[in-house]
Amino acid sequence: QVQLVESGGGVVQPGRSLRLSCVASGFTFSTYAMNWVRQAPGKGLVWVAVISYDGSNQYYADSVKGRFTISRDNSKNTVHLQVNSPRPEDTAVYYCARGAGTGVYFDYWGQGTPVTVSS
Amino acid sequence: QSALTQPASVSGSPGQSITISCTGTSSDVGSYSLVSWYQQLPGKAPKLMIYEVSKRPSGVSNRFSGSRSGNTASLTISGLQAEDEADYYCCSYAGSSIVLFGGGTKVTVL
Repeated sequence: QVQLVESGGGVVQPGRSLRLSCVASGFTFSTYAMNWVRQAPGKGLVWVAVISYDGSNQYYADSVKGRFTISRDNSKNTVHLQVNSPRPEDTAVYYCARGAGTGVYFDYWGQGTPVTVSS
Repeated sequence: QSALTQPASVSGSPGQSITISCTGTSSDVGSYSLVSWYQQLPGKAPKLMIYEVSKRPSGVSNRFSGSRSGNTASLTISGLQAEDEADYYCCSYAGSSIVLFGGGTKVTVL
């Protein structure tokens, strides 16, 4: 069965860096786009970034463009989110989600990894 | 990149039908048949309920249905059950590989 398992979350000081990872299993990882979606405490879902199946294209929400980098290693069935220069407003649970169909909806989600940006 | 607009809350009695609206613009909901809906139970990850406006993934109850008219998409839950109490989010493609979510709607079963 499809599984997505995130890791790497925790408490990070503003301006420091953090790398989130998501390990996939149960499907042919190299044929699917992968996304990160976040949810601040008590708030709604916000799409963060997407990477194409082969890693050749990445797109970001305006709120993280230039600070976050999404990447993938198809040999390890893993997608990463590099979080640079985090701000308190980046505090959220970060979900990894598989892009399905045309890649613009999310058919499987991980359990999420929490990130708290605080000094 | 503005979020789609959903009502904060909708409620209904068991057995009733409720509809959640999701209003976007002609650049997102109105332009693409790529609206999806997600159910999120407390403390859990979201679950895909509807994709491409009105399609249901395997395993999702046929009590859930989706539609769209102009710039507004809708999710209808018929035969409301206690287990349907959750937060629901709409989502739409907005062009240039950008995806927008709605602010979420809390469904309460009275």
